[in-house]
Amino acid sequence: QQQVKQSPQSLIVQKGGISIINCAYENTAFDYFPWYQQFPGKGPALLIAIRPDVSEKKEGRFTISFNKSAKQFSLHIMDSQPGDSATYFCAASRRGTNAGKSTFGDGTTLTVKP
Amino acid sequence: GAVVSQHPSRVICKSGTSVKIECRSLDFQATTMFWYRQFPKQSLMLMATSNEGSKATYEQGVEKDKFLINHASLTLSTLTVTSAHPEDSSFYICSARPPTGQGSHFTGELFFGEGSRLTVL
Repeated sequence: QQQVKQSPQSLIVQKGGISIINCAYENTAFDYFPWYQQFPGKGPALLIAIRPDVSEKKEGRFTISFNKSAKQFSLHIMDSQPGDSATYFCAASRRGTNAGKSTFGDGTTLTVKP
Repeated sequence: GAVVSQHPSRVICKSGTSVKIECRSLDFQATTMFWYRQFPKQSLMLMATSNEGSKATYEQGVEKDKFLINHASLTLSTLTVTSAHPEDSSFYICSARPPTGQGSHFTGELFFGEGSRLTVL
């Protein structure tokens, strides 16, 4: 049972465009939703994260939109740049004893064309 | 941000040998670390949760005798792939969780190592 579903699998965007990646979760106990960016041959790095008590969080060109009732959250990359080309993973986890034991989406490979 | 160091970044070994991968949290004490395996163009698959001073908790389907995990100190966890075979070739990644309840650190945030590419010939 996949608890976090991510789409699309791959995405091609022109430089300056908006990249949108979506995730849906099933477990309502999840209360921490991060997005990770991974470049080839490297480990993931935290990009931005949100908790369910807010509907949106923005950091620079990156925005998370969160819809608790729909159990969905998305990553928006504004003014996408070629340097943003990477694989993006959404994740979900719970606080408490399992804190940090994240469930990951399958990833989205983003290509930003110059 | 916090730094997690993983070593080696690449290792090639012969079939039947054992390989040890180290994961160090450089600027915080990590009571909990996680080990993942990642196949090309796939997501991270959690292998085990490493707890300092106690036995690791392995995910279903992961052979604990094959993948030995030791978390001997608050800054170091090791993964040993024993009697490696070509099918063990993969990208292994660790992550560390900052302590909870301290300052602005909140539960859930993970810091990842750079990964270790294992190739078994």
